[in-house]
Amino acid sequence: EDQVTQSPEALRLQEGESSSLNCSYTVSGLRGLFWYRQDPGKGPEFLFTLYSAGEEKEKERLKATLTKKESFLHITAPKPEDSATYLCAVQATGGSYIPTFGRGTSLIVHP
Amino acid sequence: KAGVTQTPRYLIKTRGQQVTLSCSPISGHRSVSWYQQTPGQGLQFLFEYFSETQRNKGNFPGRFSGRQFSNSRSEMNVSTLELGDSALYLCASTPSVDRGMGGYTFGSGTRLTVV
Repeated sequence: EDQVTQSPEALRLQEGESSSLNCSYTVSGLRGLFWYRQDPGKGPEFLFTLYSAGEEKEKERLKATLTKKESFLHITAPKPEDSATYLCAVQATGGSYIPTFGRGTSLIVHP
Repeated sequence: KAGVTQTPRYLIKTRGQQVTLSCSPISGHRSVSWYQQTPGQGLQFLFEYFSETQRNKGNFPGRFSGRQFSNSRSEMNVSTLELGDSALYLCASTPSVDRGMGGYTFGSGTRLTVV
């Protein structure tokens, strides 16, 4: 069974204080790993897809990296508007193409 | 470009009642998936529809059902509501060709409260 574990569950940062969120996964074979951002009262918003170990993608202050067992979402010099829950999901090779989601990391950035 | 539209945004129902939720995907997206989100379980997959056919189903009881129409709009129904069905129900659409590899586009969800 595919498993996705995100840590920490919650993270509080001061504005400008860089940090990383972790997503550990167990799948028989990885087709893709996804990062989403979810604001309160809204649905998740797609950020990145990573396909293979060593791959990196960036968007503004966010940078996602991938190894064979985990992914990191690095947040550089965060701003209060980066406050959200960040969700990780994996899609396994073979089977149904349905992604398995982690429970997310709730990030609060204080001004 | 219009996003994924879910209606209603909020619902309060009584135990034992049934409820129908609606989802209009992005124009041109033929795959629609439904998820249940709760604080304790996170995002749990309910079902996926493509071309009016259920393509995948999650581990939910038969009280949860859905359908898709020829215009790709989808509905899900929950019968005999239980308190534990209180959740945010999210609909997501994708272009069928990439099977979601380019990411899902989610609606804002329907917040269902069962009392």
